Amino acid sequence: DIQMTQSPSAMSASVGDRVTITCRASQGISNYLAWFQQKPGKVPKRLIYAASSLQSGVPSRFSGSGSGTEFTLTISSLQPEDFATYYCLQHNSYLWTFGQGTKVEIK
Amino acid sequence: EVQLVESGGGLVQPGGSLRLSCAASGFTFSSYWMHWVRQAPGKGLVWVSRINSDGSSTSYADSVKGRFTISRDNAKNTLYLQMNSLRAEDTAVYYCARAYDLDYWGQGTLVTVSS
Repeated sequence: DIQMTQSPSAMSASVGDRVTITCRASQGISNYLAWFQQKPGKVPKRLIYAASSLQSGVPSRFSGSGSGTEFTLTISSLQPEDFATYYCLQHNSYLWTFGQGTKVEIK
Repeated sequence: EVQLVESGGGLVQPGGSLRLSCAASGFTFSSYWMHWVRQAPGKGLVWVSRINSDGSSTSYADSVKGRFTISRDNAKNTLYLQMNSLRAEDTAVYYCARAYDLDYWGQGTLVTVSS
C-alpha cells in the first residue's frame, strides 16, 4: 500500500505569510495527487487536482507542485479564511490514501 | 448543480449492521467512480472504499475489508455502503464523494457504534 507522509502536522502562521505544506509518497505516484481544505464542521473541499491544476473557483494564491514522490501545496499570501486543515490524497493505486493532515493556525 | 446526499447513519451496537445511502443528482451518475470516506471525531480523513462506474470493480481499505460492501444502483442514482460487524472504531462521519479524485462531496452522515 502507498503511504502518504504529510508535514508539518500543524503550524502557526500570520496573515500575509507564505505557507508550504509537503506530502511525500512511499512510492512514485506520477501526478495522481489532490489537495483538500477542511474547515471545522465543514465538508472537505478540493483545491488542487493532478498535483498542480487549480480547482475552478479556488483563489490563485493556492498552488500545487511536484511529481513522483514529493509534492507541495503553497499558499502565497495567507488570508484569514485560509486557516483550516489541509490534506493530500494519492489516487495512483487501487487503494486511495490521505495524508495525516496539516492544521494551519493563526499565530 | 452536483448534489450528493448521504443518509442511513445512526446509533448501532457493536457487532451490528447499518446500510448507508448516497443519493446523487445534477450529473450523469453512471459515468463516475464513487467513494466512501470517513472521519472519526477530531481525526483526519480516511478513505474507505471505491466502486467503478458500472459497479464491476471495487476496493476497500484494509480496516473494513470483509466487513463493508460498496455497491451502486445506477437506475436509482444511488451509492450504498453496507456495514456489518461494526466496531467502536468505525464511529465516524461517513462521506460519499464523486469521481476518481473526489471532486464533489456530500455533507456526511454520522455513524456511532456504541453499547
